[in-house]
Amino acid sequence: QKEVEQNSGPLSVPEGAIASLNCTYSDRVSQSFFWYRQYSGKSPELIMSIYSNGDKEDGRFTAQLNKASQYVSLLIRDSQPSDSATYLCAVTSDSNYQLIWGAGTKLIIKP
Amino acid sequence: GAGVSQSPSNKVTEKGKDVELRCDPISGHTALYWYRQSLGQGLEFLIYFQGNSAPDKSGLPSDRFSAERTGGSVSTLTIQRTQQEDSAVYLCASSLGLPGGLQETQYFGPGTRLLVL
Repeated sequence: QKEVEQNSGPLSVPEGAIASLNCTYSDRVSQSFFWYRQYSGKSPELIMSIYSNGDKEDGRFTAQLNKASQYVSLLIRDSQPSDSATYLCAVTSDSNYQLIWGAGTKLIIKP
Repeated sequence: GAGVSQSPSNKVTEKGKDVELRCDPISGHTALYWYRQSLGQGLEFLIYFQGNSAPDKSGLPSDRFSAERTGGSVSTLTIQRTQQEDSAVYLCASSLGLPGGLQETQYFGPGTRLLVL
């Protein structure tokens, strides 16, 4: 059974601090990794994609991938109340067309 | 350009009735996905289309669920003899679906909120 594990939270972070979200996956052949953000009552929207080991930065967001340890993380710098949402981690299965989804981490940014 | 659209946005039906949910993907996207999301839960994969073909139907919960896609575009998810446990948000997503290579981003529609009374 291929799995993606996330801490369900809620993770509470003060405004302006760094929020760190983690995800582990079971399938070593996974090649593509995604972080989606989902506001309550809305659809998921892509935040970051990462394909190679290391860090990828985009504005206040940094995705980190470690294939040897099979984890991917998302860092949000200078957290804002508008970042409060559920963050979903998704990784490709061996078919490379399908994503295996984590259940999501609920993030709360406290003003 | 236009994103993924879904209709209806909300559907209330009585137990035992059939419902039909529609998804119109982004133009040019050959891959199309249906997911189900219950309140407070993660995404449950239902079915995937590449063009008009569905190579993976493994996520369909029962034989009451079926889906089709025509013209490589619009897809319809049909639930027959609905049950209360079918109540959920049904999400559709599309991606470019290029052969080989890396998975592309999936773009989601706004979802259909189904309530079975």
